[in-house]
Amino acid sequence: GENVGLHLPTLSVQEGDNSIINCAYSNSASDYFIWYKQESGKGPQFIIDIRSNMDKRQGQRVTVLLNKTVKHLSLQIAATQPGDSAVYFCAEIRNSGYSTLTFGKGTMLLVSP
Amino acid sequence: EPEVTQTPSHQVTQMGQEVILRCVPISNHLYFYWYRQILGQKVEFLVSFYNNEISEKSEIFDDQFSVERPDGSNFTLKIRSTKLEDSAMYFCARGGLSNYGYTFGSGTRLTVV
Repeated sequence: GENVGLHLPTLSVQEGDNSIINCAYSNSASDYFIWYKQESGKGPQFIIDIRSNMDKRQGQRVTVLLNKTVKHLSLQIAATQPGDSAVYFCAEIRNSGYSTLTFGKGTMLLVSP
Repeated sequence: EPEVTQTPSHQVTQMGQEVILRCVPISNHLYFYWYRQILGQKVEFLVSFYNNEISEKSEIFDDQFSVERPDGSNFTLKIRSTKLEDSAMYFCARGGLSNYGYTFGSGTRLTVV
């Protein structure tokens, strides 16, 4: 079964460092992936997305890498800032036709000034 | 102005009582969703709603749950007889024109006592 325990993996970095958050997805049929940021008491906020026909996509200070061979997704944040502190979730959309998101377990990013 | 507004932000209810969570997804979209997040865990899909009908639902969405869009704007999630394990954050989301442009509301924290 799934491990959905209460303790999130945590990544602690210093302000200005680059951060890399990893995610393993489960379904090789998934064709669209999204990274979300969730601050305390708020809903998931879209960061960046990537389709399965791509292996890299860049945004402002963020880059998403997709490795379909090993079903791995990563989010790179350049020059991390204290405001980046949050829980980060990857999500996949399976080819169900109704765009249901399946979320990963989440990683907490803590950025120290 | 937030694109998806949820009310109330926090609701406390006694076990066995009915609750109705409300969502107002601004602008014209066809796809609406409810997700929930138990404290410290990942976001889980409950139900999707397309063209005023349920299009997909998860195992969590049992007979105690129902959704409707009574007046063409508000989108509601009803839990008929709440249980302690229904305590969670409930997020409403709307789909974008391509179904992939999810926008989440800020959530309703439901506490069942």
